[in-house]
Amino acid sequence: SQKIEQNSEALNIQEGKTATLTCNYTNYSPAYLQWYRQDPGRGPVFLLLIRENEKEKRKERLKVTFDTTLKQSLFHITASQPADSATYLCALARGSYIPTFGRGTSLIVHP
Amino acid sequence: DADVTQTPRNRITKTGKRIMLECSQTKGHDRMYWYRQDPGLGLRLIYYSFDVKDINKGEISDGYSVSRQAQAKFSLSLESAIPNQTALYFCATSGQITGELFFGEGSRLTVL
Repeated sequence: SQKIEQNSEALNIQEGKTATLTCNYTNYSPAYLQWYRQDPGRGPVFLLLIRENEKEKRKERLKVTFDTTLKQSLFHITASQPADSATYLCALARGSYIPTFGRGTSLIVHP
Repeated sequence: DADVTQTPRNRITKTGKRIMLECSQTKGHDRMYWYRQDPGLGLRLIYYSFDVKDINKGEISDGYSVSRQAQAKFSLSLESAIPNQTALYFCATSGQITGELFFGEGSRLTVL
């Protein structure tokens, strides 16, 4: 069965460092992968989308890579700030474009 | 005003009661979804609709039903609520091309 894995342990980093979050998947060939941010008690907010034929995508301090051979996406936040603290969800989709979500990884940026 | 509005935001009810969660959107999207989120389990798809005449079951549809009253409105019903339906429920919409989802603020349901 399809499986999407995100690290269940929170990632703690110091302000100013680069945060790197991982999304691994098995038994799946996604056409694209999305990353969302979710704050406690709030709905997820879309951040970035990367397609299967793209290796890297950037948006301001955010960078996403997509390696279909390794079946892995990396999500980077450079120059991290305490305001970046949140849970980050990856989602994969193909065909009917209904994203399937990972469980998310909590990021805590310490001042 | 929010693009995707859910009501109620919080609801406490008792086992066996009928509950309706409502969702309306101003994005003009045809596609609407209901997800459920539980701690440690992530977002799971309950039902989805690609247009007014289209309703599809998701991963965990048992115990739930939906109604697509208009392009902008998609409601989720629990015919007879049970405690393990206590969760945070999200409505979402998407355009057809890339599929990124726009979520509402959530409806927190507690079934006693």
